[in-house]
Amino acid sequence: DIQMTQSPSSLSASVGDRVTITCRASQGITNYLAWIQQKPGKAPKSLIYGASSLQSGVPSRFSGSGSGTEFTLTISSLQPEDFATYYCQQYRSYPYSFGQGTRLEIK
Amino acid sequence: EVQLVESGGTLVQPGESLRLSCAASGFTFRTYAMSWVRQAPGKGLDWVSSISGGGDMTYYADSVKGRFTISRDNSKNTVYLRMNRLTGEDTAVYYCVKGSYETGGEFDYRGQGTLVTVSS
Repeated sequence: DIQMTQSPSSLSASVGDRVTITCRASQGITNYLAWIQQKPGKAPKSLIYGASSLQSGVPSRFSGSGSGTEFTLTISSLQPEDFATYYCQQYRSYPYSFGQGTRLEIK
Repeated sequence: EVQLVESGGTLVQPGESLRLSCAASGFTFRTYAMSWVRQAPGKGLDWVSSISGGGDMTYYADSVKGRFTISRDNSKNTVYLRMNRLTGEDTAVYYCVKGSYETGGEFDYRGQGTLVTVSS
């Protein structure tokens, strides 16, 4: 089974900051990696698939990169609506698996 | 517009069974894998089970294997999750999710979730 590990687990930042979240897979997953945003009390929302492709309607300040075992999600200039929890997820093979989440808080 | 509407979540006692349903619309249902993902209170996302578009391939997390059964009725555009021998560890919001291709893929759409509470 593939384990996904995110860092950091939590992060404090200010509006306008550039932030980066890292996700590591326990084995190579090429680019079968998604990033998901979840706000409190809401259903998760897909942001990125294929490690770097934005889902329709996702602002361009979000970007993803990486391949193999190491991936990053970058938010170029934080907006108030971006404070949420972010998860990575691999869909290279079953059982699919999620990272433990990164909680992005307002500083 | 893709819509996924879950139903069936409720309060049950440990050891009981429950069936969740997810009615899908807005896409050619039979050509996409469907999955269930859950989230326990205050915890992260947890993949539970997936089924291929034709229904011939199913996959389960170890934590539910042998207790949960995923199925689909492509004539009704509905996917189900039958849950047996429920325990407190199964308490969670269960989300129905659509895959991006017939055998799996990223989860491009989700429902709003249905809450399952297992408690005596």
